Amino acid sequence: NAGVTQTPKFQVLKTGQSMTLQCAQDMNHNSMYWYRQDPGMGLRLIYYSASEGTTDKGEVPNGYNVSRLNKREFSLRLESAAPSQTSVYFCASLGGLNYNEQFFGPGTRLTVL
Amino acid sequence: QKEVEQDPGPLSVPEGAIVSLNCTYSNSAFQYFMWYRQYSRKGPELLMYTYSSGNKEDGRFTAQVDKSSKYISLFIRDSQPSDSATYLCAAFTGGGNKLTFGTGTQLKVEL
Repeated sequence: NAGVTQTPKFQVLKTGQSMTLQCAQDMNHNSMYWYRQDPGMGLRLIYYSASEGTTDKGEVPNGYNVSRLNKREFSLRLESAAPSQTSVYFCASLGGLNYNEQFFGPGTRLTVL
Repeated sequence: QKEVEQDPGPLSVPEGAIVSLNCTYSNSAFQYFMWYRQYSRKGPELLMYTYSSGNKEDGRFTAQVDKSSKYISLFIRDSQPSDSATYLCAAFTGGGNKLTFGTGTQLKVEL
């Protein structure tokens, strides 16, 4: 997963706690994405950012907020975690001449008790 | 209805078989089509990328896009146990828009 880093790799939260998942890319890509992956559900888009300073809702945005801090960084925040947010979270970036450069981070495994 | 539909499998084939993985999509604005491979407990990695209709070949892998029928295919020739993974198709309109995935097909290539 060259070029996209995610922290933390694992996290356990109690219901109601908050946390921020961090993502950074060093490929100068404009577009960045946050997905969650659950068994049988595939990758579901939470939020995405087409460029620095812009964010848009995806398929499942409820309970999440995002910040595109600069071109490199795109963070995902859970304000009040719920057990339904137990999942694996992936950050991705997309760019290149014809959008042919696409990379995913290694994922964050989140458990909400 | 999801914009990109994919049979989740699982699909089990013997080593050396030709594998065919397929997706359909509903959004006519999609211009870019991708296949990703995801090993267990890893992030997806881009395997094949195609712009508009046509075929693209890379080693044992061939991606096909038929925009008239909104059909995306990935063929794997001479399949190997190391090809065992989940394969996800994805589509994209371009610009600052969202990248939409199918649910993934789990493939197992057996010795």
